[in-house]
Amino acid sequence: QAGLTQPPSVSKGLRQTATLTCTGNSSNVGNQGAAWLQQHQGHPPKLLSDRNNNRPSGISERFSASRSGNTASLTITGLQPEDEADYYCSAWDGSLSAQVFGGGTKLTVL
Amino acid sequence: QVLLVESGGDLVEPGGSLRLSCAASGFTFSNYYMSWVRQAPGKGLEWISDINSSGTLMRYADSVKGRFTISRDNAKNSLHLHMNSLRADDTAVYYCARKVESATDYWGQGTLVTVAS
Repeated sequence: QAGLTQPPSVSKGLRQTATLTCTGNSSNVGNQGAAWLQQHQGHPPKLLSDRNNNRPSGISERFSASRSGNTASLTITGLQPEDEADYYCSAWDGSLSAQVFGGGTKLTVL
Repeated sequence: QVLLVESGGDLVEPGGSLRLSCAASGFTFSNYYMSWVRQAPGKGLEWISDINSSGTLMRYADSVKGRFTISRDNAKNSLHLHMNSLRADDTAVYYCARKVESATDYWGQGTLVTVAS
């Protein structure tokens, strides 16, 4: 099943802003929106934002999600060392009747 | 608090079978869709199946359709994944996750399935 497209890696400096992108199509991101997950090495993923761009309780305001057409974005402001992780987007695909994930973006904080 | 604990991962030979379980607590299990998501070593996340709150609707990724079966026991707050005809490319950490609004908001720690001879 076709997945969502994310850049494999992004590098930004401490306290800078990183914007991660996730591109799908009209059957998934464009129609359903996308959720964002953070995964640190050796740990399970953690939800940062649901498909309506809402943050779960306890998630820092430094993480904000948005969508324009078939592309979803996650913006992380004031980058901290602990933000270094893999980030995944996910959406329901109505045509495939399947949950699809992006390949993940490895964020490096320099 | 919400807790999901997977079990049942093991080393199994190609063509073999395995049953994974996920024990849920800290929320009303019978109100939620549940999912299984796997992650092969060094790779990304792959959705493989989900099941509605009553256990009457099950959906599968093409990669496991016909080989894996998802089920749940709402009386015991448990989710299961029956895996048959296992292949080397099924080797992964298998996560149980709670599903809300097309997102998975709580995840277990995962259980490792290794398919090798």
